[in-house]
Amino acid sequence: NAGVTQTPKFQVLKTGQSMTLQCAQDMNHNSMYWYRQDPGMGLRLIYYSASEGTTDKGEVPNGYNVSRLNKREFSLRLESAAPSQTSVYFCASVTSGGVTYEQYFGPGTRLTVT
Amino acid sequence: DQQVKQNSPSLSVQEGRISILNCDYTNSMFDYFLWYKKYPAEGPTFLISISSIKDKNEDGRFTVFLNKSAKHLSLHIVPSQPGDSAVYFCAASANAGNMLTFGGGTRLMVKP
Repeated sequence: NAGVTQTPKFQVLKTGQSMTLQCAQDMNHNSMYWYRQDPGMGLRLIYYSASEGTTDKGEVPNGYNVSRLNKREFSLRLESAAPSQTSVYFCASVTSGGVTYEQYFGPGTRLTVT
Repeated sequence: DQQVKQNSPSLSVQEGRISILNCDYTNSMFDYFLWYKKYPAEGPTFLISISSIKDKNEDGRFTVFLNKSAKHLSLHIVPSQPGDSAVYFCAASANAGNMLTFGGGTRLMVKP
């Protein structure tokens, strides 16, 4: 049971390049999330998927797109990377209908855009 | 406008003493609160939570207190240990939903 996995762990991009961050969970969770973490800003929600087949914008969606490929996988795409997207990206998942709202996080992807 | 705020970016405590981390919120619809702990180069991990129907929840060395009238919660760690050194995030959920709003984090350093 690996929990939430993310690939890659590190990535350096040049401005204008594109890339996709991958996330998978093996806990049969319904909801999945993408956050970015910047110093002093905490974790800010980029996009989320409440269930397979649905996606919605979070607090900071500009410059990103997502795909909920199936129940297990939720990818985040940067079409044209900008230096402002330099950050640490975390994927998380949670089951729906539970009595707690504990989200489980992956180890993160550290992205640098030059 | 940050709905969840952790006004202390860092806190230094001696081993064995109490650590108190604070969190304030503005949205009166928040009804569930969580604390996460994060070590460098790792994802956040869930620590403890509290529902708005309670004012205290305890789990071993960790206790969370909720003051709804003041829209304030705090995490107490007693006794503090060097392994507790990490960044702590508080988070809140509204209307029993799965969406979490996070504070900016407090870096706790426990000195041996």
